[in-house]
Amino acid sequence: ETGVTQSPTHLIKTRGQQVTLRCSSQSGHNTVSWYQQALGQGPQFIFQYYREEENGRGNFPPRFSGLQFPNYSSELNVNALELDDSALYLCASSLGVHANTGELFFGEGSRLTVL
Amino acid sequence: ILNVEQSPQSLHVQEGDSTNFTCSFPSSNFYALHWYRWETAKSPEALFVMTLNGDEKKKGRISATLNTKEGYSYLYIKGSQPEDSATYLCAFKRGATNKLIFGTGTLLAVQP
Repeated sequence: ETGVTQSPTHLIKTRGQQVTLRCSSQSGHNTVSWYQQALGQGPQFIFQYYREEENGRGNFPPRFSGLQFPNYSSELNVNALELDDSALYLCASSLGVHANTGELFFGEGSRLTVL
Repeated sequence: ILNVEQSPQSLHVQEGDSTNFTCSFPSSNFYALHWYRWETAKSPEALFVMTLNGDEKKKGRISATLNTKEGYSYLYIKGSQPEDSATYLCAFKRGATNKLIFGTGTLLAVQP
C-alpha cells in the first residue's frame, strides 16, 4: 500500500460534461503529479503541483486543470469531456519537486469512461 | 519527440524460468530511469530509481542495469514466480523537467 488514495475509482460521464477527480497524497509528500493512461499506452504526464502551485505541464489542453490544497491533497478537473478522455487517471505523490531523487507513490487510479 | 520503448510487449514464462526486459530511452540529457511493477487492480509500485551510468540495482530476485551512454536499461527476474506476474513499466526523466516519460510496459505472465 502506497498511502495514496484516489476517488472515485470508476465513473461514467457523457460528452460535454465536467469531472473532478480527487487524490490524497502520502503523508509528508508535498508534490502531486497526475498522469493519464489511455488504452494501450503508457501513463502520460498531465501536470504536477508543488506547494499548491502548478509546477510543470504536459501536452494537455487548458480544459485539464488542477488544484492542490494546503494539506497537499489534489484535484484534477476536466471540462467539456471528449470521448478520447476515457482513460485511467493516476495520481502520484513524492517528496520534493524532482522525481529523480526518489520514486513516485501511485494511487490505484480513477477509471473514467466518456460516452 | 522523446520516446521510451520497452520490449517485449508481453512475455509468457513458466515458473522457475529467468527472464529479462529491455527499456530504451534517449541518451541525451539523461537524469534518471525508473522501473515500476504494476499488478492488476493495484497501483504501480517502484522497483528502482537509477541515475548513474553503469548502475546495477537488486531487490531479491529482481535486478536492473543502466547504460546512459547508449540509452538502455535491462530488468532481470531470476527464477520467476507466479506472483511476479505484472506489467513492468520503465520511465525516463530528462534533465530540467519534472515529468516522467513512460514506456508502454512489458506484461509478464508466469504460469505455475
